[in-house]
Amino acid sequence: KQEVTQIPAALSVPEGENLVLNCSFTDSAIYNLQWFRQDPGKGLTSLLLIQSSQREQTSGRLNASLDKSSGRSTLYIAASQPGDSATYLCAVDSNYQLIWGAGTKLIIKP
Amino acid sequence: DTGVSQNPRHKITKRGQNVTFRCDPISEHNRLYWYRQTLGQGPEFLTYFQNEAQLEKSRLLSDRFSAERPKGSFSTLEIQRTEQGDSAMYLCASRAGRFNEQFFGPGTRLTVL
Repeated sequence: KQEVTQIPAALSVPEGENLVLNCSFTDSAIYNLQWFRQDPGKGLTSLLLIQSSQREQTSGRLNASLDKSSGRSTLYIAASQPGDSATYLCAVDSNYQLIWGAGTKLIIKP
Repeated sequence: DTGVSQNPRHKITKRGQNVTFRCDPISEHNRLYWYRQTLGQGPEFLTYFQNEAQLEKSRLLSDRFSAERPKGSFSTLEIQRTEQGDSAMYLCASRAGRFNEQFFGPGTRLTVL
């Protein structure tokens, strides 16, 4: 059974710092991995999708990596801004559904 | 707006009442998903449609829950005889193909009193 874990559960850093969010999964047989952002009480915004054959994807200040063999993905955020404050969730596409981590709540202090 | 839309955005109901939510996916997307999310947790899969066919249902989807997608366009999720444990955010997502990104709607927040 696929399980997804995100560490840390919460993170608070000063504005301008670079940071890394971690996602691990137990079964390497995945189709892809997707990173999402969720603002309080709101829906989910897709940030990056990495196909199983890819090692990384970049969008602006965001870079996501995927290491299937070790069951890990990281989301790197460069030059963090207060507007980046949100909960970040990773989801693994294992079959017909996404299996989710519980998220990392990120606070960027001005 | 060509994104996924959900209605209503909020629903407050009394225990035992029936509720129905609607999801309108992105028009060219043939795959539609329903998830449920409780506070502090990631979403949990409920069910999945490819066009009008409901292909998968989670064990979370008790017989009080039913979902439809007539004509392969919008979808409805009905909860009968609501219980307080049904209080959650109900999220709908769609995607164009098997390996494409899932795009989510804003969700319907259900509160059962």
